[in-house]
Amino acid sequence: DARVTQTPRHKVTEMGQEVTMRCQPILGHNTVFWYRQTMMQGLELLAYFRNRAPLDDSGMPKDRFSAEMPDATLATLKIQPSEPRDSAVYFCASGPGQGSQPQHFGDGTRLSIL
Amino acid sequence: AQSVTQLDSQVPVFEEAPVELRCNYSSSVSVYLFWYVQYPNQGLQLLLKYLSGSTLVKGINGFEAEFNKSQTSFHLRKPSVHISDTAEYFCAVIIYNQGGKLIFGQGTELSVKP
Repeated sequence: DARVTQTPRHKVTEMGQEVTMRCQPILGHNTVFWYRQTMMQGLELLAYFRNRAPLDDSGMPKDRFSAEMPDATLATLKIQPSEPRDSAVYFCASGPGQGSQPQHFGDGTRLSIL
Repeated sequence: AQSVTQLDSQVPVFEEAPVELRCNYSSSVSVYLFWYVQYPNQGLQLLLKYLSGSTLVKGINGFEAEFNKSQTSFHLRKPSVHISDTAEYFCAVIIYNQGGKLIFGQGTELSVKP
């Protein structure tokens, strides 16, 4: 089965450090989404791309977060500088680009900022 | 604004009992409806979807859901649950012609007891 692959699965680092999370979407999917999951806020959409172009990043704190797709097989989410409140599970999902088709999720990156 | 409400944050149930997880949505335009399941330390997995046609849809693991347009509901049901169904369940919608963004409910934690 084709899968969305996220790395790393776990990351623990100190406040102020840069964090980079990576996602390999399913081959042929042209839409990539980044979500953050916390107990308090649930699942929040941070940003999404279609054909590598950002369509919406209104859910992302612009001062410290950035999302890119250097090529069709890699999406990155960076936090610089990181803060304890960024601790969460970050999910990447990809989809075939048709509005009715569901997204496929990776297993997430569990991020802890000390 | 569009929103998804899952009416129960936690549902405890005994093994082999029936279960219903409730979901209501708010939207002035057409939507596509989804249920996802999240097992511990994993990403979200699609259970079932409603795009059009028959209002009763069947998904994986014996789950089904019924779309009720007049009540704007999409409740998830299973006639007999197993211990392995213990997980978090998310109802979600995609708004027609809005780029495929999923809007999630807050989730319902299903706990199946022996």
